Amino acid sequence: DGGITQSPKYLFRKEGQNVTLSCEQNLNHDAMYWYRQDPGQGLRLIYYSQIVNDFQKGDIAEGYSVSREKKESFPLTVTSAQKNPTAFYLCASSMYRTSGNTIYFGEGSWLTVV
Amino acid sequence: AQSVTQLGSHVSVSEGALVLLRCNYSSSVPPYLFWYVQYPNQGLQLLLKYTSAATLVKGINGFEAEFKKSETSFHLTKPSAHMSDAAEYFCAVSRAGGTSYGKLTFGQGTILTVHP
Repeated sequence: DGGITQSPKYLFRKEGQNVTLSCEQNLNHDAMYWYRQDPGQGLRLIYYSQIVNDFQKGDIAEGYSVSREKKESFPLTVTSAQKNPTAFYLCASSMYRTSGNTIYFGEGSWLTVV
Repeated sequence: AQSVTQLGSHVSVSEGALVLLRCNYSSSVPPYLFWYVQYPNQGLQLLLKYTSAATLVKGINGFEAEFKKSETSFHLTKPSAHMSDAAEYFCAVSRAGGTSYGKLTFGQGTILTVHP
C-alpha cells in the first residue's frame, strides 16, 4: 500500500544524545515535511524539503537537522542542542509545484527524554 | 503571514446533535484551507479542503465546511454527531501560490467529545 512510514513509533533518548527518526514514503511525492506536535499548540513546522538534496528551515528548526539524499526518504535528527525534545513528531509529504495539494501524514513517532 | 485561530479547545456534543467547530484565518493572499482529524496516537487525516472552487466544501464522514471570505472563516459542521467522531480536529491554511505553497500553518486544535 502507498503511504508514509515513520519509525520507530516510540523512542526514548537520554540527555545529551542525538536520535534519528526515520520517514519513508512510496507516494512518489516531491515535497516532504517534519512537524512537531505538543499538546494545545497544534503542529509546528521543523523542516521541509521540496526536492532531493535541498531543504529549508521551518518555524522551529533549532536543535534539529535533516537530510534528503533520496526522494522517498527524509530522516530527522534531534540533536542534544534541542532543549525540550519530548513531543510527537509527524512526517508528511505532498506533490510539489501545485498549490493546494493535500499534505499526507505518517502515523507519527513519540520521542521521550529520560 | 498566515495564521489560524480555532475557537474552543474543547467541544462537547451529544450523539445525534449538530457539530460546529470554528476556524478563523488570517492571510494576506487568497488562502487554501484544510480540516484534518487526528485520532489518539495517530497521524492526521484530511477531512476536506477549500482551494477556491465552491465555497461549500463536502468532505468525508459527513463533514462539510463553508468558506466565508467576508468573515475570514472556515467553520466545520456535521448535522448529526456519531460516537466515532470523537477526535481532535485541526484547521490549517496554506498560501496559494508563491514559494511557500505546500506548507501548512495549523490552528491549536479542537478536541471533540461525543456523549451517548
